[in-house]
Amino acid sequence: EVQLVESGGGLVQPGGSLRLSCAVSGFTFSNFWMHWVRQVPGQGLVWVSRISSDGTSDGISTTYADSVRGRFTVSRDNAKSTVYLQMNSLRAEDTGTYYCVRDASWFGYYGMDVWGQGTTVIVSS
Amino acid sequence: EIVLAQSPGTLSVSPGDRATLSCRASQSVSGAYLAWYQQKPGQAPRLLMYAASRRATGIPDRFSGSGSGTDFTLTISSLEPEDFAVYFCHHYGGAYSFGQGTKLDLK
Repeated sequence: EVQLVESGGGLVQPGGSLRLSCAVSGFTFSNFWMHWVRQVPGQGLVWVSRISSDGTSDGISTTYADSVRGRFTVSRDNAKSTVYLQMNSLRAEDTGTYYCVRDASWFGYYGMDVWGQGTTVIVSS
Repeated sequence: EIVLAQSPGTLSVSPGDRATLSCRASQSVSGAYLAWYQQKPGQAPRLLMYAASRRATGIPDRFSGSGSGTDFTLTISSLEPEDFAVYFCHHYGGAYSFGQGTKLDLK
């Protein structure tokens, strides 16, 4: 069974840091690009970051939403089948549920086909 | 950045009704990069459609998608009780934008 399990969320003061983890199972992790997507309760979805798979000639690449670039860093450990999101200089507007999401492009189509259950981050003093 | 505008914000319908949800992009996009997701309360989103009109694995055929350019549509031909949820459209690539969602409410 394909599973994505996030952890690491919690309450943090503005300016603080958190590291989210997403442990995956049930598929060959190293083949897949992965994303982080945020959702504020009762609101829409906001893409945060993407990390490519290993094995390309260019190595692993990362991209970020403008709102988090320079503050957040996405990384992966293929040996542990885990993707991470290091979140620094947190702001109130970073509050929300963070989903770890699998990118379906390895299958030849474009979308996000598997979602974790999410981990909640609250930035508040 | 491509901005996706969904309408209506809420659609009040009854089981058995046909529901038509709209997603309009701020500029022309390839249908290959347009997806739809369903989200039920307390759950993560689920991929419904990709490439504008292709159903994801396990999605029943009462769901269909269409459109091109800037206008895309998700249609549910005959609503089942489990279809009452929020639906998001999504443009894959670049800023990976999402629409703000359409909620299907029980009339």
